Amino acid sequence: NAGVMQNPRHLVRRRGQEARLRCSPMKGHSHVYWYRQLPEEGLKFMVYLQKENIIDESGMPKERFSAEFPKEGPSILRIQQVVRGDSAAYFCASSQTLGGANTEAFFGQGTRLTVV
Amino acid sequence: DAKTTQPPSMDCAEGRAANLPCNHSTISGNEYVYWYRQIHSQGPQYIIHGLKNNETNEMASLIITEDRKSSTLILPHATLRDTAVYYCIVRVPFGADSSYKLIFGSGTRLLVRP
Repeated sequence: NAGVMQNPRHLVRRRGQEARLRCSPMKGHSHVYWYRQLPEEGLKFMVYLQKENIIDESGMPKERFSAEFPKEGPSILRIQQVVRGDSAAYFCASSQTLGGANTEAFFGQGTRLTVV
Repeated sequence: DAKTTQPPSMDCAEGRAANLPCNHSTISGNEYVYWYRQIHSQGPQYIIHGLKNNETNEMASLIITEDRKSSTLILPHATLRDTAVYYCIVRVPFGADSSYKLIFGSGTRLLVRP
């Protein structure tokens, strides 16, 4: 059973371009979380999604950032018109509902975004 | 905001037990305590979680006080590869369908010395 897969692992964008980060959850997992980690800082919660639904986006910047988790395919974190301050590691995690309980979340290896 | 308090750094000798404390004095009755670690800049790795009872798995033991206001993660025989930042997290539930999110604090940077 493959773990949480994120791609690309490294992404370089020029200021003003768009960045699209992909996350394929573990097989059978229907919950996806996105986190951002700035250099030398902790992980900051961004958004929590279930299939086709955004459950909690309280950590998402109000502009330029969006996330989706379609019925088919990976979850996508999209950053429009990137700025240097968007440079960070973006981690995705997934979990599943088992026996009515939402189990532990497993993280991918992250996408390191560099804006030049 | 994170609901936990951890020392910023600790160290222990290789082969000895590492005991990492965590305070969560405002924890509610249905909130779990989770531990993750992050080695260098890799993705966080799940270690263990618990609600009321002490828990043990192949990686570690989790001791939760009776009042649930604090807990200790124990790595019984620390190795150099256990050097990492360890995060104690109170899992915040919401909704009626067991939805939750994990709010990370600053963690404890554990250095295992040869």
